[in-house]
Amino acid sequence: AQSVTQLDSQVPVFEEAPVELRCNYSSSVSVYLFWYVQYPNQGLQLLLKYLSGSTLVKGINGFEAEFNKSQTSFHLRKPSVHISDTAEYFCAVLNRGGYQKVTFGIGTKLQVIP
Amino acid sequence: NAGVTQTPKFQVLKTGQSMTLQCAQDMNHEYMSWYRQDPGMGLRLIHYSVGAGITDQGEVPNGYNVSRSTTEDFPLRLLSAAPSQTSVYFCASSPRPQETQYFGPGTRLLVL
Repeated sequence: AQSVTQLDSQVPVFEEAPVELRCNYSSSVSVYLFWYVQYPNQGLQLLLKYLSGSTLVKGINGFEAEFNKSQTSFHLRKPSVHISDTAEYFCAVLNRGGYQKVTFGIGTKLQVIP
Repeated sequence: NAGVTQTPKFQVLKTGQSMTLQCAQDMNHEYMSWYRQDPGMGLRLIHYSVGAGITDQGEVPNGYNVSRSTTEDFPLRLLSAAPSQTSVYFCASSPRPQETQYFGPGTRLLVL
């Protein structure tokens, strides 16, 4: 079975400061990895995904994430956050092959402080 | 394209009542799924479907039924509502599970 751990439930950060949201996964097989963002009272939308190839993945709104197979991590980073980045961020994992179930983490709330 | 639509947006039920949450997509996606979102628990998969006529259980299927008679529609049925089913429900679709999932706006359900 696959699982995702988001280590921080809330992350406060000052505007224009860098941020890293941590995600670790567990799986016995190779995986696909995703980061989704949820703005208040909205559904989720994809920020970025890792399917194969380069381990550094760039997404929308200046976010990027790095797949680290040895550490089973997929941390999300942004060099300079804006007020508009205030939202909840979800990491998700899908095993390659087998059951086609996407498993989400519990989410990290990013609070950008002016 | 309307994308993924969900109805109703809000619903209040009494314990024991049944209801169907509707989900439709106009993108011809094969993969559809239902999640519930609860504070501190993230999104949990209820049921999913890889195509018309094919459904399977997710992490928390108890108390819910689904069917997929067409590619477009994937309704979620609550058989006998319980207060533990108070939640926000999201439907999502994608061409395949490893591709971007497009989420609907959600249905907020309160069971009294």
